[in-house]
Amino acid sequence: AQSVTQLGSHVSVSEGALVLLRCNYSSSVPPYLFWYVQYPNQGLQLLLKYTTGATLVKGINGFEAEFKKSETSFHLTKPSAHMSDAAEYFCAVSGSTSNTGKLIFGQGTTLQVKP
Amino acid sequence: GAGVSQTPSNKVTEKGKYVELRCDPISGHTALYWYRQSLGQGPEFLIYFQGTGAADDSGLPNDRFFAVRPEGSVSTLKIQRTERGDSAVYLCASSARGGVGEKLFFGSGTQLSVL
Repeated sequence: AQSVTQLGSHVSVSEGALVLLRCNYSSSVPPYLFWYVQYPNQGLQLLLKYTTGATLVKGINGFEAEFKKSETSFHLTKPSAHMSDAAEYFCAVSGSTSNTGKLIFGQGTTLQVKP
Repeated sequence: GAGVSQTPSNKVTEKGKYVELRCDPISGHTALYWYRQSLGQGPEFLIYFQGTGAADDSGLPNDRFFAVRPEGSVSTLKIQRTERGDSAVYLCASSARGGVGEKLFFGSGTQLSVL
């Protein structure tokens, strides 16, 4: 079975500050890990994903995440927050034995960016 | 089409009624997924189609929920005898082949409200 835990349902940062959104996973098979972002009244959009290879993954809009197997973590970071980054962020895992693209999502973290 | 389209965007119904929610995936995508997102939660997997067949329906909560994809493109999620607990946003996603690690493209969802 696979699961995802996102630590902190709400994170608030000042514009220009570091963004850190935490994600820990549980998986009995090698995981594929994803971060999706959901802006108000829009569908979820892929920010970045880790499949195999390099453990530091760069995504869109300046975000990056590092896969740490020993810590079962895949935290999302951005050096400097913009007002436009305010949204809900979801960490997800796949890699089930059924070998499909089915994703298991965490409960989400709402990012607030203060001017 | 340009993206995943879901109709209607909002559906209000009365307890006990039957509803149908439609998903039009990206043209050529063979994989289609339905998710349910309750307030303050991450998307919860319902069912996965590969072509016309339901390859994984392990997330359907009970036999009131059913989904079809008769021609391998448009899909309809059907809910019988709706209950207030069915109120949620129903999300549809598609991907090119359904392989593990593939990017999922999400629609904007259908907000279902059962009164």
